[in-house]
Parts: sequence; C-alpha cells; structure tokens
Amino acid sequence: KNQVEQSPQSLIILEGKNCTLQCNYTVSPFSNLRWYKQDTGRGPVSLTIMTFSENTKSNGRYTATLDADTKQSSLHITASQLSDSASYICVVSAGDMRFGAGTRLTVKP
Amino acid sequence: DAGITQSPRHKVTETGTPVTLRCHQTENHRYMYWYRQDPGHGLRLIHYSYGVKDTDKGEVSDGYSVSRSKTEDFLLTLESATSSQTSVYFCAISESETGVLNEQFFGPGTRLTVL
Repeated sequence: KNQVEQSPQSLIILEGKNCTLQCNYTVSPFSNLRWYKQDTGRGPVSLTIMTFSENTKSNGRYTATLDADTKQSSLHITASQLSDSASYICVVSAGDMRFGAGTRLTVKP
Repeated sequence: DAGITQSPRHKVTETGTPVTLRCHQTENHRYMYWYRQDPGHGLRLIHYSYGVKDTDKGEVSDGYSVSRSKTEDFLLTLESATSSQTSVYFCAISESETGVLNEQFFGPGTRLTVL
C-alpha cells in the first residue's frame, strides 16, 4: 500500500474557479512535505515545501496546508488558469522520498 | 529543468536488447537519482548515487544497473530490456539527501518503449 495517497485521481474545473487537492500519508516521522507540479511531458517542479512544524505555505495562487496530527495535507489553487492544467504530486520526505500517484487537474475555458 | 538533460528523450527497443539512458547535470549536485513513472503509481526510485562511483539500490532496482564515473553524468542501463520496463524514466539531482536541501530537481524524462 502506498504510504502517500492522493485524491481525487483526476479533477476538471472551469477557468477562474478554485479547487483543493488532498494528500493523506502514513509516513512517520517525516522531515518535510512537498507539492510538485508536473506538466505533460515534463519533469515535476517543486511548488511548496513544509517542515513538520509548519501548517501553511503559499506560492502565488497555490497554498499548501499541513496537519501533522491527522497526517493530511492539501493544495488549494485559487482563481485557476488554463496553465494550471497538470498533475500535482505530493511527496513526503522521510530520509527517502515517498511519492503520491498524483492528481490530474484539467482547467477548461 | 534546472540544468539537467536526459538522452535520448524517446526510445523504442526490442525485448532482450541492452539499453543505456544518460543523465547529465551542470549544477554540480552530489546526489543523482533514477526514477520510473508508470500510470497509477508514484515515481519509484530505481537507483541513486551519492558521489562518483558511489551508488545504491532503490525500491525497484531489479533488471537495472547504474554507473557514475563523473559528477555530472549518471547512466542507467537495462541489461536485457523487458516489456515491463516500458515506462517514463526521470533523472533527478539534489544537493543533500535529507532536510530542506534535499529538494530534487527533475530532468525532462525519457520515454522508453520495449516491444
């Protein structure tokens, strides 16, 4: 069983709308949690990083939250744009990196 | 892609043939990694390197070998390719293995098809 589970697997929203992606993990202890964005045909690119003591981190229209007690993280995207269409991957670092399978987001005009 | 190139970007080969994928970095990072990415799975670590000639196995290392003779180059070899090795392969680099400096920067990927 994957130690990092993401939901939903895929999501379609209209341009300008907000959305929230979820990440539940069982990795413990962990050093940091990252969200990556992966455009089609490209490698993943880091969006945010949070240590276990942080509970929110923003990068422009992307805001990540972390609840270390419930082992949950979320990525909130505000005022979505067509360029936000991508896969979003949650990664928990515990010595090695544990990758979620990703959420495929499609933003439609 | 943070000074990381992979070659080739696409390759089609036949079962049983050897295949070598190359990763080249210009960042002088100590750590280099090879992952494979398959639908429905997260990225899975094949092998990694923590210095020249220093390598170790990852989660899915069977059927793969690696070599690192220079800081900037990390080679992944499929000794005898099988259809189950059809995948997209990503190279990554990082300054450190742990802590906040362990951010991994990824290359553009190599799509390998084994017929």
